[in-house]
Order: sequence, then C-alpha cells, then structure tokens
Amino acid sequence: EVQLVESGGGLVQPGGSLRLSCAASGFIFSSYWMTWVRQAPGKGLEWVANIKQAGGEKYYVDSVKGRFTISRDNAKNSLYLQMNSLRADDTAVYYCARDRKYYDRSGSHQDGLDYWGQGTLVTVSS
Amino acid sequence: DIQMTQSPSSVSASVGDRVTITCRASQGINSWLTWYQQKPGKAPKLLIYTASSLQSGVPSRFSGSGSGTVFTLTISSLQPEDFATYYCQQADSFPYTFGQGTKLEIK
Repeated sequence: EVQLVESGGGLVQPGGSLRLSCAASGFIFSSYWMTWVRQAPGKGLEWVANIKQAGGEKYYVDSVKGRFTISRDNAKNSLYLQMNSLRADDTAVYYCARDRKYYDRSGSHQDGLDYWGQGTLVTVSS
Repeated sequence: DIQMTQSPSSVSASVGDRVTITCRASQGINSWLTWYQQKPGKAPKLLIYTASSLQSGVPSRFSGSGSGTVFTLTISSLQPEDFATYYCQQADSFPYTFGQGTKLEIK
C-alpha cells in the first residue's frame, strides 16, 4: 500500500525557517518525481515545487523561488521542503504527492498526482 | 504562467443529476489537464488525467473531455459521495497551476 506521511509543520514567526519531511512507503520511491502542493486555510490548491527521481531537476512556483528548497533522499525514501524567510502568506497545509511525470520522445508529460499525504499545517505568525 | 479558470465556482445539484464543470486555460495546453476531487479536511484525489483518462478505481460516472484551452468534467449521475470541491490542474508547463475550484453542493 502506497503511503505518504508528512511531518515538520508547526507555528513559526515571520522570517523563520522550517523543514518539512515526507516519508514514503509501498512503492519504489526512486522511480518517481515527487511534488509539494499547499492549501491556505479556506483557499484552493497551489502547486509549490517538484523534483525529479535522482534530484537533478527541480521546479518551483515563483512565489517561493529563492526561499524554499525541495530535496530528496532516495536511500531513506524521503522528500523534504526546506522553507526559509517564511511569510504570513506561506501559511497553509502542505501536501506531498507522488508525481506521474515522465519524458518520452515528444517531451515532458504528467499523468497527475496519484497519491497524496494527509498534509502538515504550517502557520507563520508572530 | 498559465492561468486556469473554472466555472462555475459553485453549483447546487441533486442526487441523480448530471453535472458539468468547465476549466479554461489561458493558453493551449494540449491534453495535459488533470481533475481532482477534494472533500473537507482530506487530501485531493486524482480523478482524470490527460484530459479524459479515468484514474484506476474512479467510478465510470466521471468523465473528462477537451483539448487546447477548454476542458470539461462531467458527472453523469450524482451520488451522495460526489458532493465535494473539484479542481483542474494544467501539466503542460511549469509552474503547474490549479483552477480556483468548483464546490458541488447538495440542492
């Protein structure tokens, strides 16, 4: 059974840092892209970042570029999101998800985010 | 960035009704469109990928269509468990972006 379990959320002051973790099990973690998606309270979904299987490609939404870093440790079946210079508008539930992104001769494609964790709440407030 | 706009933002319907939700992209995204369902307090669930492919385990009353800039999600006969919020997401180019969501409520 595929499982994704996020941890590391909590209350942090503006300007502070937090590191989220996502522990994966039930599938070959190193074979999949992985993604972080967040959802502010009462709001919609926002794609945050994703990372290729070996970590060689990473992409971010503009609002977190230079502040957040996505990484992974395939030996530990774990995904991470290092969040620095946190702002009030970073307050959200953060989900990790398995990403069915792939490349073929015609380019880069994605067949959706098929498994999600339960989410971890990050609150940025003084 | 590609903007995704869903309509309507909310819809009221009854069990057994047929419901269609539309998602429009600000530029062409071929068929790289995904639909998710989210219930309160839960993670999203993948329903449809590449515009019209049904995810394994999803009931056949859900269907998707479209290409280019206009896409639809149709629920052919609403069931009580379908009342939720639905999101589209483009996967044509980074950053991947979601629509604002459509809340499907019981009439």
